[in-house]
Order: sequence, then structure tokens, then C-alpha cells
Amino acid sequence: DAKTTQPTSMDCAEGRAANLPCNHSTISGNEYVYWYRQIHSQGPQYIIHGLKNNETNEMASLIITEDRKSSTLILPHATLRDTAVYYCIVRGNNAGNMLTFGGGTRLMVKP
Amino acid sequence: GAVVSQHPSRVICKSGTSVKIECRSLDFQATTMFWYRQFPKKSLMLMATSNEGSKATYEQGVEKDKFLINHASLTLSTLTVTSAHPEDSSFYICSARPQGDTEAFFGQGTRLTVV
Repeated sequence: DAKTTQPTSMDCAEGRAANLPCNHSTISGNEYVYWYRQIHSQGPQYIIHGLKNNETNEMASLIITEDRKSSTLILPHATLRDTAVYYCIVRGNNAGNMLTFGGGTRLMVKP
Repeated sequence: GAVVSQHPSRVICKSGTSVKIECRSLDFQATTMFWYRQFPKKSLMLMATSNEGSKATYEQGVEKDKFLINHASLTLSTLTVTSAHPEDSSFYICSARPQGDTEAFFGQGTRLTVV
């Protein structure tokens, strides 16, 4: 699976949009971009995933560049409960493919 | 989304004893489950892939005799930490993916402390 690069940490003001970038320049054509987050002392939580089109769900939006070499996760109105480590993972879609976690971005939402 | 449940959520055991952690897929069947370990302020590291009805596949550097994995049914995988030592203290997390789905779901994790 392709490697991803994310900033180590970011701050965001409560109520503002949080934009979390991810670089995945070696992504191949059949690999998806997944985002998970991990709140302290809990298991990771699935947020969203996409292949090449932008995606939106009740939690977030995922913007993937046209060349697919980078993406941005957008939390439109961050709350204190969104403070977590956010992981961007690139993975093929075979059933046996595990998720390989990088360092992630530690997002701190501040009042 | 689908639910993966781990038990116990935290356990303290004495050095030399064994500890079993259960991972259940509550509303779907999982032929494959994954076990991860996470040290404080570090990312998740894959330990092994648990395959229903066959032997688990271990990542390099993970001792299969130390971390016994059993996946006897389509909804349950267990990880047994044998002869635990303080250095085995960690956060253990399992994951499973429903067939036909693209996203994986994680248990809530088990914090193991060996004293």
C-alpha cells in the first residue's frame, strides 16, 4: 500500500472548519483513500473514504485532488469532541487488505 | 456502521500469567480479523491477521507462541498473551471488515497492564 504523509499536529478553533491535509503521491489506480480517527484510549473510528471523487457524509467531507496525489479531510464545524488523532490511509480494496497506520495528525480543537 | 466488540476493556495481570482478549463481530460475519498493538503516543502496529478456520499470519517480529490467536468462528477471534511480562503492557485493538464492505471497523481496545 502507498505511504501517506500528514502534519504531526494541528490546532483548530471550536466552530471553525478543520482542514486536515494528506499527501499520498505514490498512490496507485486501484487504491482508496481512507480516513479514521482515534480519540484517546479508544479504538479507531471510520470517518470516510474515496477513490477519486469528492465524498461527503454526516461526519466530514473528503476532497481528493485530480491527480490523486493528495487529499484533504474537512470537518465543517469542529467541536471539542473532534479532538483526536486523524489517520489518512491508502489501501487497495481486496478483502484481506489490512490497514497500515502512519503517525497521523493530532488535531486539537480549542474553545 | 458495523459493530466490533472487544472484551475486556482493561485488564491487570501478574507477570507470568496468561491473558485472553476476545474480539467479536456483533452484526456481521468476519472471515478475517486483524490484531493491532499500540504503545503510548505511538501509532497502531499490526501484529497478526486472524483467519477463520486456519492459522493466523503474524507480522515480522511478533512471536506466534507468545501471542496465540484463535479464530474458531465467523464472529469471534481471541488473542491470548501467554506468560505475560511488563513489556507486554500495551493497548491491544482488533479490527474486522464485513464482506462486501470497504471500510473496516475496530473494537474499543483492551488496555493490558502486566505488574
